Amino acid sequence: DSGVTQTPKHLITATGQRVTLRCSPRSGDLSVYWYQQSLDQGLQFLIQYYNGEERAKGNILERFSAQQFPDLHSELNLSSLELGDSALYFCASSVGDGSRAYEQYFGPGTRLTVT
Amino acid sequence: SQQGEEDPQALSIQEGENATMNCSYKTSINNLQWYRQNSGRGLVHLILIRSNEREKHSGRLRVTLDTSKKSSSLLITASRAADTASYFCATDDWGTGNQFYFGTGTSLTVIP
Repeated sequence: DSGVTQTPKHLITATGQRVTLRCSPRSGDLSVYWYQQSLDQGLQFLIQYYNGEERAKGNILERFSAQQFPDLHSELNLSSLELGDSALYFCASSVGDGSRAYEQYFGPGTRLTVT
Repeated sequence: SQQGEEDPQALSIQEGENATMNCSYKTSINNLQWYRQNSGRGLVHLILIRSNEREKHSGRLRVTLDTSKKSSSLLITASRAADTASYFCATDDWGTGNQFYFGTGTSLTVIP
């Protein structure tokens, strides 16, 4: 158990819908990272937050947005869903702000299926 | 893109044998990390090696880094069935250090 929790575990929804994925980082970790893992794209970095502020942006679509709240939990919002958004979405946390590398602790993931 | 590539894509060995997988990347890095992922589950951090280090050990794991060749290798000695998983290397961006780029992964099967 990494200490990172993600909800829900599974999500099945229709195209065009909007969903919110939630992540609670490990106690004491200030950074949260979001990743998308699909069979054809591998593990793609989406976005990083540190102590409530966006720190780095990766291959995140404009239809997707995220935020980190004062209690450090984070939410990833996916809207206007398409079939290709079906994937495993992982949240990871680390103690650092990203300026120096620390290991990341991954949550169990949310499996999103868009039908 | 900085994304690394692991080689081989898949590896099947007998229990007790050593497993070696390689990772190549494209641009300068601050550090390189190896992670393991059991099927459909979250990644687990194995080891971190900094750009000024050449070799690092952790239990049955040995990692090497050659920054001149932009490559790293992960050696698992005396493999066990429980080592069956996918293994990913992750590199950061030398400029920002914030983004992590994961490779495509090596799928390791250890046959009991």
